[in-house]
Amino acid sequence: SQQGEEDPQALSIQEGENATMNCSYKTSINNLQWYRQNSGRGLVHLILIRSNEREKHSGRLRVTLDTSKKSSSLLITASRAADTASYFCAVGYGNNRLAFGKGNQVVVIP
Amino acid sequence: ETGVTQTPRHLVMGMTNKKSLKCEQHLGHNAMYWYKQSAKKPLELMFVYSLEERVENNSVPSRFSPECPNSSHLFLHLHTLQPEDSALYLCASSQDGGPANYGYTFGSGTRLTVV
Repeated sequence: SQQGEEDPQALSIQEGENATMNCSYKTSINNLQWYRQNSGRGLVHLILIRSNEREKHSGRLRVTLDTSKKSSSLLITASRAADTASYFCAVGYGNNRLAFGKGNQVVVIP
Repeated sequence: ETGVTQTPRHLVMGMTNKKSLKCEQHLGHNAMYWYKQSAKKPLELMFVYSLEERVENNSVPSRFSPECPNSSHLFLHLHTLQPEDSALYLCASSQDGGPANYGYTFGSGTRLTVV
């Protein structure tokens, strides 16, 4: 399937540390998106990186995309307790298709 | 709030009940979606509505019946559900150009428990 697969599936870090998670996918994509989901809530769109871009920043978030390795990473710098959430990558491909991964749970310990 | 509102937030229903989930957006988006989220599984796209017409139905059982009366409202009518239908049901909307180009705006979801 085309869905992204996040790695690691669970991550626990101390407040102030950086959190890095990866997403791999299988075929050609138009773009890759990252979403955050707080417990029991909907997903919130964080950032979109297009297939011709290599790096993108938004506040404390940094996303990279390596189309040769079919992978992306999301870095959260100087993590806060409020960053505790599940993070999903979603690959945009084909005719306006978007496929989500299973998610990556991040716990930031105060 | 994201601009997409779902009600109710929680719903417990018996297998013989009939209930409806409601979704409302005032973002000016012209496409709306129902997703099912179950534990440890990727999000499952159920239905897609574009300009109030259903354009996609991903092999969803007939016990789920969507309705889109206008571009701001979306319903999911439920009847004779099974326990395995218990999940978080998410509504989303997207602007012109679609979610693959601009992403989704999701509601907070309805946590459905079928007993």
